[in-house]
Amino acid sequence: DTGVSQNPRHKITKRGQNVTFRCDPISEHNRLYWYRQTLGQGPEFLTYFQNEAQLEKSRLLSDRFSAERPKGSFSTLEIQRTEQGDSAMYLCASSLVSFSTDTQYFGPGTRLTVL
Amino acid sequence: DQQVKQNSPSLSVQEGRISILNCDYTNSMFDYFLWYKKYPAEGPTFLISISSIKDKNEDGRFTVFLNKSAKHLSLHIVPSQPGDSAVYFCAVRSLIQGAQKLVFGQGTRLTINP
Repeated sequence: DTGVSQNPRHKITKRGQNVTFRCDPISEHNRLYWYRQTLGQGPEFLTYFQNEAQLEKSRLLSDRFSAERPKGSFSTLEIQRTEQGDSAMYLCASSLVSFSTDTQYFGPGTRLTVL
Repeated sequence: DQQVKQNSPSLSVQEGRISILNCDYTNSMFDYFLWYKKYPAEGPTFLISISSIKDKNEDGRFTVFLNKSAKHLSLHIVPSQPGDSAVYFCAVRSLIQGAQKLVFGQGTRLTINP
């Protein structure tokens, strides 16, 4: 399967702990996106990378959140000092920039529960 | 502020009939529109898209209609099949502003009854 993969699929943590999620995009896709989805809502944009460069961050991405894509391949999203409000599904998507618009393909997501 | 609205949280349709899902947006700078389908425990799956230079795009059983003056988007599925039961999200983007992010609606849960 050459789709977007995310690990772990589920994470339960206690408030105040740090968590890190990983996303492996579709091979050769140069753009990678992170979104967050809460119950009853659509996905909300957090940040995106083109190759290694982080080009846009949402206001939703507080100082406790950091994302990296060190070699332009996989990406990690870290949340420090987790809060109960961080409980959500974290979705990763990737796309290949071409002359026309690029379609974003999503992974299965990581469901975070903060107790 | 909700820039993209799907006002029907749920829709129930009989198998074989047409399903029509609706989406309204507020910003006239949005110029690229997509529909995604989501099954439980999976990420959203891309279905179909349309740019603002068109008013209709068709792919098999799926057709997307765009009414720019009304800022309204709809997805037609015909004939509806049980496997179409899922949550459907519309998403919009502003290519002219160079925006890469997608802005999603809240989703509509479609149930196809046999």
